[in-house]
Amino acid sequence: QSVLTQPPSVSGAPGQRVTISCTGSSSNIGAGYDVHWYQQLPGTAPKLLIYGNNNRPSGVPDRFSGSKSGTSASLAITGLQAEDEADYYCQSYDSSLSGWVFGGGTKLTVL
Amino acid sequence: QVQLQESGPGLVKPSQTLSLTCTVSGGSISSGDYYWSWIRQHPGKGLEWIGYVFYRGSTFYNPSLKSRVTISVDTSKNQFSLKLNSVTAADTAVYYCARLRGAGTRGWFDPWGQGTLVTVSS
Repeated sequence: QSVLTQPPSVSGAPGQRVTISCTGSSSNIGAGYDVHWYQQLPGTAPKLLIYGNNNRPSGVPDRFSGSKSGTSASLAITGLQAEDEADYYCQSYDSSLSGWVFGGGTKLTVL
Repeated sequence: QVQLQESGPGLVKPSQTLSLTCTVSGGSISSGDYYWSWIRQHPGKGLEWIGYVFYRGSTFYNPSLKSRVTISVDTSKNQFSLKLNSVTAADTAVYYCARLRGAGTRGWFDPWGQGTLVTVSS
């Protein structure tokens, strides 16, 4: 059971918009700690997608965006493309556990 | 740009010590406010932060693994290492090294090494 809760899977057709939620608690997201997102393509290492809740590293398309409110955060992907099919993970810090924590991951399927 | 590469045995016997090394290239391990981290991913599962080392040698570990983990740094070789002792099958995972950047607890992991699968089996 991960500290940050994500839906196991989401899906969408090419061109559509999907969102992936990341629900935490008062000891992590709700305590004000930043949320970051990673994309893990099959058989590869995770890659930073969003940092500091809503910032994109250089090279990440603006189709990807992040937001945070209260004890939750969301990753939105617009203009879905086949190459977006991957696992997505959220990450934050948890003061009760004294460490960096991840969500359980969400598998995105492009129909 | 900075790149990380894990190396070490892919097979470890139960009760023995898992040892991995991460080599940093394209930048100095001693530069900047970065914390050099280990993260693992059990087969088909999510990610678990193991701990980090600062280039001056200070460390911080996941409390759930703290009793078995040692992370060290060798600035002369631009490397940092992970030792996990008394391993069991539950320690079978892909182990990643990654750079933790950002302001302390607000930090994120970037970049990551490609990962190395370590299997615990007799």
